[in-house]
Amino acid sequence: GAGVSQSPRYKVAKRGQDVALRCDPISGHVSLFWYQQALGQGPEFLTYFQNEAQLDKSGLPSDRFFAERPEGSVSTLKIQRTQQEDSAVYLCASSSTGWSGELFFGEGSRLTVL
Amino acid sequence: QQQVKQSPQSLIVQKGGISIINCAYENTAFDYFPWYQQFPGKGPALLIAIRPDVSEKKEGRFTISFNKSAKQFSLHIMDSQPGDSATYFCAASTIDFSSGSARQLTFGSGTQLTVLP
Repeated sequence: GAGVSQSPRYKVAKRGQDVALRCDPISGHVSLFWYQQALGQGPEFLTYFQNEAQLDKSGLPSDRFFAERPEGSVSTLKIQRTQQEDSAVYLCASSSTGWSGELFFGEGSRLTVL
Repeated sequence: QQQVKQSPQSLIVQKGGISIINCAYENTAFDYFPWYQQFPGKGPALLIAIRPDVSEKKEGRFTISFNKSAKQFSLHIMDSQPGDSATYFCAASTIDFSSGSARQLTFGSGTQLTVLP
């Protein structure tokens, strides 16, 4: 595809459920980022991959959050035992260069935890 | 800790007017300052960016002004149009070109711009 694709676009989960959010980056982009965007706020960094290597996961808020990119293309962000404070839009972004200036964002996955 | 502070939170401008959004940063290691535009239901899209070796950058109707000593930068939208109505985010990052390693962007809290027809 021409852009970053994320699925599902909307997810409603009951508190305590596990969720998995998928990101298909732009073909050939080696860098992939996950951001969390709370309502009315700017995106906040979660984690970063260069190819299949997770180089920075300092933004993951707890050990309930886990991300992977096993083949260096598609990435999955998994949230275990979801809590209400996890409700947010999860944005995936990719870049063809080694630095994060020109990021191409997907439309996001909106997670609502009831 | 909010490292990039953005103001105003919301802005209403008449068509043809100038929209000005300001940001201030704390981390002196930041050396890349992009602005992103976000429409409802969409992801942010890069609008314009500046490095600290220049004080101003202009692309069409959009201009970034940068004041390194004050640790402030701003976005000016000239001849604002209703189609510019969106949320604007400033951001900051460090760049490590020598290793090619990425640095994550730190975003401001956003400015909701409304341009009245």
